[in-house]
Amino acid sequence: DSGVTQTPKHLITATGQRVTLRCSPRSGDLSVYWYQQSLDQGLQFLIQYYNGEERAKGNILERFSAQQFPDLHSELNLSSLELGDSALYFCASSVAKANSPLHFGNGTRLTVT
Amino acid sequence: GQQVMQIPQYQHVQEGEDFTTYCNSSTTLSNIQWYKQRPGGHPVFLIQLVKSGEVKKQKRLTFQFGEAKKNSSLHITATQTTDVGTYFCAGITGGGNKLTFGTGTQLKVEL
Repeated sequence: DSGVTQTPKHLITATGQRVTLRCSPRSGDLSVYWYQQSLDQGLQFLIQYYNGEERAKGNILERFSAQQFPDLHSELNLSSLELGDSALYFCASSVAKANSPLHFGNGTRLTVT
Repeated sequence: GQQVMQIPQYQHVQEGEDFTTYCNSSTTLSNIQWYKQRPGGHPVFLIQLVKSGEVKKQKRLTFQFGEAKKNSSLHITATQTTDVGTYFCAGITGGGNKLTFGTGTQLKVEL
């Protein structure tokens, strides 16, 4: 158990809809990362927050947004969903801004129909 | 943008054979991390290398960081079925913030 909690585990929704993925980092970790993994694909970096502030941004679509709250949990919002957004979304946390190991949650499997 | 490529993409070995995956970056990395993702699982941190030319060992796994800090390798001696999974390297360019994962090498081990 990595200590990182992601909910929900599975999400099935229709195109055009909006969903929210939630992540609770490991106790003591200040950084939260979001990654997207499509079927048999690599891990695409979306965004990183450190202690409530955005620290780094990847190729995150404008339809996607995220935030980290004062209690350090994070939410990833995906809107105007398209079929191609179907993927496994991982949240990871680490203790520092950079150069520290990432601890991944079990992921949220999003299926857009 | 920064790209981190891994070769090979797939590798099938017989149990007991050795395995190596190579990680190459288009830019210098401040450090390199390695992760393992079992089928149906999430990535799990294995190790971090920081110094140029650094070599670290974990039992049957040997990790190297290149002298120019632009490449790395993971070598597994005498593979076992428990080694099955996808191995990812990840790194940050010297002046950047994004932790970029490599394309991954999927290892299958047959008895």
